[in-house]
Amino acid sequence: DTGVSQDPRHKITKRGQNVTFRCDPISEHNRLYWYRQTLGQGPEFLTYFQNEAQLEKSRLLSDRFSAERPKGSFSTLEIQRTEQGDSAMYLCASSPDRIATNEKLFFGSGTQLSVL
Amino acid sequence: GENVEQHPSTLSVQEGDSAVIKCTYSDSASNYFPWYKQELGKGPQLIIDIRSNVGEKKDQRIAVTLNKTAKHFSLHITETQPEDSAVYFCAAVFSGTSYGKLTFGQGTILTVHP
Repeated sequence: DTGVSQDPRHKITKRGQNVTFRCDPISEHNRLYWYRQTLGQGPEFLTYFQNEAQLEKSRLLSDRFSAERPKGSFSTLEIQRTEQGDSAMYLCASSPDRIATNEKLFFGSGTQLSVL
Repeated sequence: GENVEQHPSTLSVQEGDSAVIKCTYSDSASNYFPWYKQELGKGPQLIIDIRSNVGEKKDQRIAVTLNKTAKHFSLHITETQPEDSAVYFCAAVFSGTSYGKLTFGQGTILTVHP
């Protein structure tokens, strides 16, 4: 499978616990994004990496959230001290670094987080 | 701020009919407008997109039209089939970004009845 891979698919945690999600983008894609989607809504932008550099973070990304892409390949998204409001689908996407195609996002199937 | 409004929120059609979903956007300098299809338990999948220098684009049964003056764009699906049933999202890349920072609409649940 050469698509965007996310792990785990589902995560159930108790309020206050830390969780970490992993994303493996399409191998030749330099650009990687995290989005969050709540039930009945469209995805919302969280953050963007070009190679290993995190170039933009949304105001939605509070201090409890941190994302990394240490070697410019896979990325992790960590949420510390989870709250019930963090319950959502966390989507990872990647895109190529070529003009006229760098906005074409390929999404993974997401990690569904439930905070009890 | 950046905003995309999508209508209708639900759409029910008979197999073989056409379906139209409309979106309006707030930033007149927006230049890229993709449409995504999301099936249950999956991530959004890009089905068609259009840039601001084009008024219409077709791909088999799917077409997208863009009216820059009115700041709206529409998805047209002809000869609908049950497998077209899904949630459809429009999106826009707003001016000042050169990457995939998309603002999505609220989604349309399309149901195609056999």
